[in-house]
Amino acid sequence: DIVMTQSPDSLAVSLGERATINCKSSQSLLYSSNNKNYLAWYQQKPGQPPKLLIYWASTRESGVPDRFSGSGSGTDFTLTISSLQAEDVAVYYCQRYYGFPPFTFGPGTKVDIK
Amino acid sequence: EVQLLDSGGALVQPGGSLRLSCVASGFTFSSYGMNWVRQAPGKGLEWVSGISGGGDNTRYADSVKGRFTISRDNSKNTLYLQMNSLRAEDTAVYYCAKDLFTMWGSPADYWGQGTLVTVSS
Repeated sequence: DIVMTQSPDSLAVSLGERATINCKSSQSLLYSSNNKNYLAWYQQKPGQPPKLLIYWASTRESGVPDRFSGSGSGTDFTLTISSLQAEDVAVYYCQRYYGFPPFTFGPGTKVDIK
Repeated sequence: EVQLLDSGGALVQPGGSLRLSCVASGFTFSSYGMNWVRQAPGKGLEWVSGISGGGDNTRYADSVKGRFTISRDNSKNTLYLQMNSLRAEDTAVYYCAKDLFTMWGSPADYWGQGTLVTVSS
């Protein structure tokens, strides 16, 4: 099975500053047939279900603020919050999808305000 | 408006069984794959099982294979998870989640609020 890892486990960032979360896959998530990376990012706030932020590694879901961006390819990916807002405090997960299950999530990265 | 109403969670003894349900509305249910994702208390997300829109393809995490069965009734817009031989480590909030695209296995764009399953004697 593909293993997903994330770093750091947690980070604290000042309001308005940049937050960067890394996700690494044990196998490439880039499919040569369409040159797409099958990697998604979710945000989960306490007591709420996860919310889809990014898919295809860099495509923002409808309604997601443009301060959220995804990048990377193959096995290494990054979620960036360009200017952290108070409402961005949450746990962020990456997930591989398509191909053969399981559609594994990363262990999560907790983002707090410094 | 898309809505997923998951239910059926309860306190159950080890070795017992439970069936979760998820009633969907606001989209063409039969066109989309559906999933169950769980979250143990204070832990991360674990994909449990998925089923294609027509119900003819199913997949499971190794941790539940042979014990859990996912199914759907497209005439009732309802997703199910039959859980047998429950263990303490199955204790979690279980979420149903809808695939973003009609191609099975895409990321989940809508989630239920979750239903709590507690396995304890």
